[in-house]
Amino acid sequence: SAVISQKPSRDICQRGTSLTIQCQVDSQVTMMFWYRQQPGQSLTLIATANQGSEATYESGFVIDKFPISRPNLTFSTLTVSNMSPEDSSIYLCSVRGGFDQPQHFGDGTRLSIL
Amino acid sequence: QQQVKQSPQSLIVQKGGISIINCAYENTAFDYFPWYQQFPGKGPALLIAIRPDVSEKKEGRFTISFNKSAKQFSLHIMDSQPGDSATYFCAASKAGGTSYGKLTFGQGTILTVHP
Repeated sequence: SAVISQKPSRDICQRGTSLTIQCQVDSQVTMMFWYRQQPGQSLTLIATANQGSEATYESGFVIDKFPISRPNLTFSTLTVSNMSPEDSSIYLCSVRGGFDQPQHFGDGTRLSIL
Repeated sequence: QQQVKQSPQSLIVQKGGISIINCAYENTAFDYFPWYQQFPGKGPALLIAIRPDVSEKKEGRFTISFNKSAKQFSLHIMDSQPGDSATYFCAASKAGGTSYGKLTFGQGTILTVHP
């Protein structure tokens, strides 16, 4: 399966600042996604990162708050903008090689906002 | 996203016992049903997955049972071990269109296996 590396693995940030999370995959993948996991909760899809075009956001998530880039088939970034304590969560990158391929997750970025 | 309901929230079993976690879904368009295992500080790891054209899939000690008419599927862990203690998530997605690859997760089950 693909090896997914996320950076940073954790961070503590000040209210009102922004943080960019990187996701690097060791092989080309068709689909890349960003999920959020709030403390002790399940996973919620934020958006699908589309190569060379704007990401597709799920209901409740907007581009101004969570801008996403995907310049190629192995890399994506998620920015959490103008952070508030409510943004304290684990942010997870997920990839799928193609149709009928399993979907895998990175270990996530644990973000705490003070 | 359509809902996937998972139960129980937590489960305690003795070593060697059978752990059973259940999920129910609403959207009949779902056609891919994976189970993930998550340890503290780690991302979810794919455990086993099933498509609705089969009623059961077994991989080692892990078995998925699938009931299409009832819109339910379950994970059975045979001979449960303390190392199986983790949080388990069921999920579902549709195969095609704009929903391809978008997983809807259940609420999670914290499994504790006592030695």
